[in-house]
Amino acid sequence: GAGVSQSPSNKVTEKGKDVELRCDPISGHTALYWYRQSLGQGLEFLIYFQGNSAPDKSGLPSDRFSAERTGGSVSTLTIQRTQQEDSAVYLCASSYQGRGGYTFGSGTRLTVV
Amino acid sequence: QQPVQSPQAVILREGEDAVINCSSSKALYSVHWYRQKHGEAPIFLMILLKGGEQKGHDKISASFNEKKQQSSLYLTASQLSYSGTYFCGTEEGAQKLVFGQGTRLTINP
Repeated sequence: GAGVSQSPSNKVTEKGKDVELRCDPISGHTALYWYRQSLGQGLEFLIYFQGNSAPDKSGLPSDRFSAERTGGSVSTLTIQRTQQEDSAVYLCASSYQGRGGYTFGSGTRLTVV
Repeated sequence: QQPVQSPQAVILREGEDAVINCSSSKALYSVHWYRQKHGEAPIFLMILLKGGEQKGHDKISASFNEKKQQSSLYLTASQLSYSGTYFCGTEEGAQKLVFGQGTRLTINP
């Protein structure tokens, strides 16, 4: 696609529920990244993919967080048993072969109530 | 290791200049600069690769001192549209960016 697409744009969920966040990167971009941004804060690295492989999962906060990427394209970030501290904007970005600037999606604003 | 940005916030009048610094404790492969406006996604400004180069477009430029593990972003003759939060992202060779905490730039008429 022309840009990085994320869905849903907003998600309100009850504490303890599971959520899935989707990212559709720019066509041809082999590298895909997930970041989290809490209100007024910086960008916290979560995980990155090169193709369908995730060489670096070091930023995932706990084992409640997981992500996958299929077909070298769409990625899904899953948060199980959501907690209030998971509330944040989850940003996805892609880049061409992991080099060059990142193109970010508009993010998913997750609110856990 | 998260890079450190300074200052944390800057308030300017239109037409004034600003410098935002980014410092890392680790050897860097590259430094990226992004601008984020409130409620929007970060937008890529430029990338600097190790080699001490300086890049720029329009009135926004940046330098990268590999030995000092520092980068600076220069905004000259600032315009209202330059307002936003600026983030540096550092790459240590692991093909992922670690971002600084951001510098909030406010431009007043």
